[in-house]
Amino acid sequence: KAGVTQTPRYLIKTRGQQVTLSCSPISGHRSVSWYQQTPGQGLQFLFEYFSETQRNKGNFPGRFSGRQFSNSRSEMNVSTLELGDSALYLCASSLDTGEAFFGQGTRLTVV
Amino acid sequence: KQEVTQIPAALSVPEGENLVLNCSFTDSAIYNLQWFRQDPGKGLTSLLLIQSSQREQTSGRLNASLDKSSGRSTLYIAASQPGDSATYLCATLGPDRGSTLGRLYFGRGTQLTVWP
Repeated sequence: KAGVTQTPRYLIKTRGQQVTLSCSPISGHRSVSWYQQTPGQGLQFLFEYFSETQRNKGNFPGRFSGRQFSNSRSEMNVSTLELGDSALYLCASSLDTGEAFFGQGTRLTVV
Repeated sequence: KQEVTQIPAALSVPEGENLVLNCSFTDSAIYNLQWFRQDPGKGLTSLLLIQSSQREQTSGRLNASLDKSSGRSTLYIAASQPGDSATYLCATLGPDRGSTLGRLYFGRGTQLTVWP
């Protein structure tokens, strides 16, 4: 079956712009979570959605937001981009057992 | 807040060796623990999932154990191969279980190099 799909794979943006990343979970998975990965901080939790509701949020500024649609697809948005937002953004979808499956990520570069 | 530590941070071994990667966590009230593999610039591939009620899981040359009471997990890789070279990450689901399924707490990983 199809895995977790993230689009786009690569993105280059200028400081001050905004960006939207997309994640399509594995069919039947209702939980979608987002993580930011940087060499300095490792993997940091951004937020988690379940049935279109945000259930948990990490310690990121309000410039980071997300949403989940009725088909479980999720988007995350980062406004007013900063150089420090350059990272690999990973999306994971989960079964009720909690096993997480990750997508290939979106590499965001802010210049 | 859960903290996950992985030791060693890096490991370089010749092909054929048996390896043990270590993972420790501070809060034992976890729902499960997962081991992942990450190749450079790629996403995470799930290797093994151990539920909190289980002690170990096996898949091919990989075996993972879980000791909740001591806050430790180990990943054993038998007869290592160059294709095993990657970063290995462990992550706990919770605590802060409640109705949350998705929040994982990650270690910083062990970067493994297996040379021919």
